[in-house]
Amino acid sequence: EVHLVESGGGAVQPGGSLGLSCEASGVTDAKTYLGWVRQAPGKGLEWVSIIYSGGSIYYADSVKHRFVLSRDSSKKTMYLQMDNLRVEDSAVYFCVTVAAASLHFDNWGKGALVTVSS
Amino acid sequence: QSALTQPPSASGSPGQSVTISCTGTSSDVGGFNFVSWYQKHPGEAPKVVIYEVNKRPSGVSDRFSGSKSGNTASLTVSGLRTEDEGDYFCSSFADPAVWVFGGGTRLTVL
Repeated sequence: EVHLVESGGGAVQPGGSLGLSCEASGVTDAKTYLGWVRQAPGKGLEWVSIIYSGGSIYYADSVKHRFVLSRDSSKKTMYLQMDNLRVEDSAVYFCVTVAAASLHFDNWGKGALVTVSS
Repeated sequence: QSALTQPPSASGSPGQSVTISCTGTSSDVGGFNFVSWYQKHPGEAPKVVIYEVNKRPSGVSDRFSGSKSGNTASLTVSGLRTEDEGDYFCSSFADPAVWVFGGGTRLTVL
């Protein structure tokens, strides 16, 4: 069974930085991608970023050039560095796995709250 | 990266069926058979109920079904139960290597 645990997050002022981590366990398919989806308060889901098993990384336009996604060499921990944060980045950030063959978000973490406010 | 279009709300009585639509473009829904649907309850993580347009993950009730025609995908929930209440989001893979979500539909079981 896949288990995803987010850590980090918290409160920061606009223009500040925060980091999120996601530790993945139980992932048996080497082709599984890891990524982030967020949900702002009272809003819908928004895809944020993804890292393919081969290392390619993609970002939503809304976070491009501000967020950086990376992972450790074991491919079991993923990091999201968020810089120049905006009020509209406030959300619960969910760590997700994506099945490479079916391209859907098949496992979700419980989420980490990021609040950007002055 | 425009969001997919879903109705904000849907409702039905217990035992009835309800269908939720999800409209995109030829660059996402219409261009790929990678449409998925997620059920979300307040305070919980989303759960996939349909993937690849019409496939159900193991453990998801067969009361959930999906389809697609052109740029519009649909989720049908049959035999509505009170536990089906919640928010439903569609999602599609899109070129080039991005994912888009719908705005969500709140399903109410009357």
